[in-house]
Amino acid sequence: EVQLVESGGGLEQPGRSLRLSCTVSGFTFDDYALHWVRQGPGKGLEWVAGINWNSGAIGYVDSVKGRFTISRDNAKDSLYLQMNSLRAEDTGLYYCAKGIGRRHYSLSHAFDMWGQGTMVLVSS
Amino acid sequence: DIVMTQSPDSLAVSLGERATIKCKSSQSVLYTNDKNYLAWYQQKAGQPPKLLIYWASTRESGVPDRFSGSGSGTDFSLTISSLQAEDVAVYYCQQYYDTTLTFGGGTKVEIK
Repeated sequence: EVQLVESGGGLEQPGRSLRLSCTVSGFTFDDYALHWVRQGPGKGLEWVAGINWNSGAIGYVDSVKGRFTISRDNAKDSLYLQMNSLRAEDTGLYYCAKGIGRRHYSLSHAFDMWGQGTMVLVSS
Repeated sequence: DIVMTQSPDSLAVSLGERATIKCKSSQSVLYTNDKNYLAWYQQKAGQPPKLLIYWASTRESGVPDRFSGSGSGTDFSLTISSLQAEDVAVYYCQQYYDTTLTFGGGTKVEIK
């Protein structure tokens, strides 16, 4: 069974940092791109960042560029999101999502598996 | 960035009736390989999204055939041919043509 499990969320003050993790099982981790998608309270979905299977392609939404860093450790089957200089508008449920398509170079794909999400609340 | 606009924001449909959701992209998501880089997701309350359709019209494995996707270029539709109670959810379109992936604002489907 494919599983993606996010962790690391919590309450943090504006300007501080958090590191999210996503551990996966049930598929060959280093064959697939992975992404972070967030959902503000009562709001829609927003893609945050993505990384391809070998870390050769990385992308971010403009609002997090220079503040967030996505990375992966294929030896640990883990995905990370380092979130610095947090803002109130970063508040939301952060999902880890798996891209369709084995060993695609780009990040251009749909997401066929999602975790349950980890909640990030940025507030003073 | 490509802006995805869904309509309507919400709709109420009787059980067994057809429901159609529209999605319009601000620029074409049809690539030179003749594929439309467009997906549809279903999100039920308290759950993560679930992939229904990709390449605009390819149904994901396990998705009931009452769900279908159509369209090309900038205009797309998701149709539920015979609405069931378990289809109550918010539906999102997503483009993956551009390097910045974007979603539509969502359409809430309810039972009339």
